[in-house]
Amino acid sequence: DTEVTQTPKHLVMGMTNKKSLKCEQHMGHRAMYWYKQKAKKPPELMFVYSYEKLSINESVPSRFSPECPNSSLLNLHLHALQPEDSALYLCASSPRSGTGYSYEQYFGPGTRLTVT
Amino acid sequence: EDKVVQSPLSLVVHEGDTVTLNCSYEVTNFRSLLWYKQEKKAPTFLFMLTSSGIEKKSGRLSSILDKKELFSILNITATQTGDSAVYLCAVELTSGTYKYIFGTGTRLKVLA
Repeated sequence: DTEVTQTPKHLVMGMTNKKSLKCEQHMGHRAMYWYKQKAKKPPELMFVYSYEKLSINESVPSRFSPECPNSSLLNLHLHALQPEDSALYLCASSPRSGTGYSYEQYFGPGTRLTVT
Repeated sequence: EDKVVQSPLSLVVHEGDTVTLNCSYEVTNFRSLLWYKQEKKAPTFLFMLTSSGIEKKSGRLSSILDKKELFSILNITATQTGDSAVYLCAVELTSGTYKYIFGTGTRLKVLA
């Protein structure tokens, strides 16, 4: 199984809503990532989890709250978002992180988020 | 500030043409350079390069890294309409946990 899955595929939420994005992989990868991608722009790193611990937070606003309940799951909790947060949210995983070896990332299909 | 720049930003060619996409970088703590193809949603992995001068090849695609001049190229020969996509270059940095910085992407359109 070389797949990263993300749910939901599409999400429309109001600025007062609370919602969550979910990412799952069963490849035994120990590094997981959240990226935000606006139209016609490259992915921007938001968070990195390494061995289920948050290791990088790229100065993301607190209305985005990541959670890694176990080595296969990664959530992104959303609260009080703004319309400018509308984007494609991509999850990725890689076998390891910070071990001295390089690994490619495997990306999920993304969640297309619209904030109204 | 770490930076990854790709050129050209967009390119339109005809089937059968050969294209060369460029990726240059200015980063501290370089670890590797990766190429991805993004069609509609998820980027799909093409190549990972860590050493200068060693060409990676997969079918009609090939890539090489120059760590002295800080750039990489991705070549696509005998292009097909299915090659139409955004090609992303990413640089992996070492800073405890490794992270990736993506370039702006090159949007390639191959006309039949």
